[in-house]
Amino acid sequence: AQRVTQPEKLLSVFKGAPVELKCNYSYSGSPELFWYVQYSRQRLQLLLRHISRESIKGFTADLNKGETSFHLKKPFAQEEDSAMYYCALRYNTDKLIFGTGTRLQVFP
Amino acid sequence: NAGVTQTPKFRVLKTGQSMTLLCAQDMNHEYMYWYRQDPGMGLRLIHYSVGEGTTAKGEVPDGYNVSRLKKQNFLLGLESAAPSQTSVYFCASSMTGVNQPQHFGDGTRLSIL
Repeated sequence: AQRVTQPEKLLSVFKGAPVELKCNYSYSGSPELFWYVQYSRQRLQLLLRHISRESIKGFTADLNKGETSFHLKKPFAQEEDSAMYYCALRYNTDKLIFGTGTRLQVFP
Repeated sequence: NAGVTQTPKFRVLKTGQSMTLLCAQDMNHEYMYWYRQDPGMGLRLIHYSVGEGTTAKGEVPDGYNVSRLKKQNFLLGLESAAPSQTSVYFCASSMTGVNQPQHFGDGTRLSIL
């Protein structure tokens, strides 16, 4: 069965420090992976998707099929990055399964 | 464009009462979804729809019913509310096709006493 695991509930760093939010997945098919972010009092929104190989707000994520991981990274965290981050796997064409989320706190 | 709009934003119910949550999207998306978000559990899919007139069960469908009579609307019903259904409910929609992201509403905070 498909599964998404985010092992850290909370990640706290100081401004300017590197950040890595971990995501591992389990899926027998070809994975489509996403990172969603939810800032305080805002709706959940797409941050980035693996197919795009893009950098959004300084964040990148590389799909590693060998390690079944899709970790989210940013070299220098900013206070405005504080939010809840969800990794998600798309399966059976039309459904998403989410991880339990990681709260990122960036201290000044 | 408003995107995905959920009504109401907050509601308090008594055990056994019924209610319907409304989700409307103006992006002409085929797919629509209802999730619940609980502390420590992320978002879990309740029901979803791949087109007007179609619905399907997600991960946690028990105690809920849905209808998609119009393409732009997806209704989530609680026939007899239970305290275990206290949660934040999110609606989402997406286009068809590979790697299409889901667009979310602001959520409905529902408390069952």
